[in-house]
Amino acid sequence: DAGVTQSPTHLIKTRGQQVTLRCSPKSGHDTVSWYQQALGQGPQFIFQYYEEEERQRGNFPDRFSGHQFPNYSSELNVNALLLGDSALYLCASSLTPGQISPLHFGNGTRLTVT
Amino acid sequence: EDQVTQSPEALRLQEGESSSLNCSYTVSGLRGLFWYRQDPGKGPEFLFTLYSAGEEKEKERLKATLTKKESFLHITAPKPEDSATYLCAVQAGSGGSYIPTFGRGTSLIVHP
Repeated sequence: DAGVTQSPTHLIKTRGQQVTLRCSPKSGHDTVSWYQQALGQGPQFIFQYYEEEERQRGNFPDRFSGHQFPNYSSELNVNALLLGDSALYLCASSLTPGQISPLHFGNGTRLTVT
Repeated sequence: EDQVTQSPEALRLQEGESSSLNCSYTVSGLRGLFWYRQDPGKGPEFLFTLYSAGEEKEKERLKATLTKKESFLHITAPKPEDSATYLCAVQAGSGGSYIPTFGRGTSLIVHP
């Protein structure tokens, strides 16, 4: 049973550049959420996608955008990168929004902005 | 605004030395509380879901309990392989949003 997969595992970018991160959800899951985790912090919610639409959004600027495809996979795009965007970006899949169910996380993409 | 506070931030134990991690929460209408384990460089791994006060769940050396204001993760006779960061998250509210709020985690190191 394939779990959540993310790519790439590591990425180094320069300030001002743009980055795209990718995620494939766990088999049977149709909802994808993205989280940012800074060192020593808990995951911070960026947004959630369901039925190819952004359903919920956390307190992140419009530089952060996303997309969900018909096969439920998802992308996170970050424009005009800042040094403060350096973090572990986690993708999590779950069952349909509104259900109380655990998140299943991938191993993340470590983004370093220099 | 939902708040989740975990304590202590870091905990060092000797192998076999039992202890507890705390997760206190301030939310409107708890729907579920989750415990996760996160190893360095990895994503969080789901451990337990608790839904209501008085509920308990067990898995190997771990036992999670829930009251109306906090949850405890009890670790009995820990081994070095239990070393990890343990995260607590709550799902609360109404209207079907239920986006989990995470605590900052407790970093546990178990020395042989």
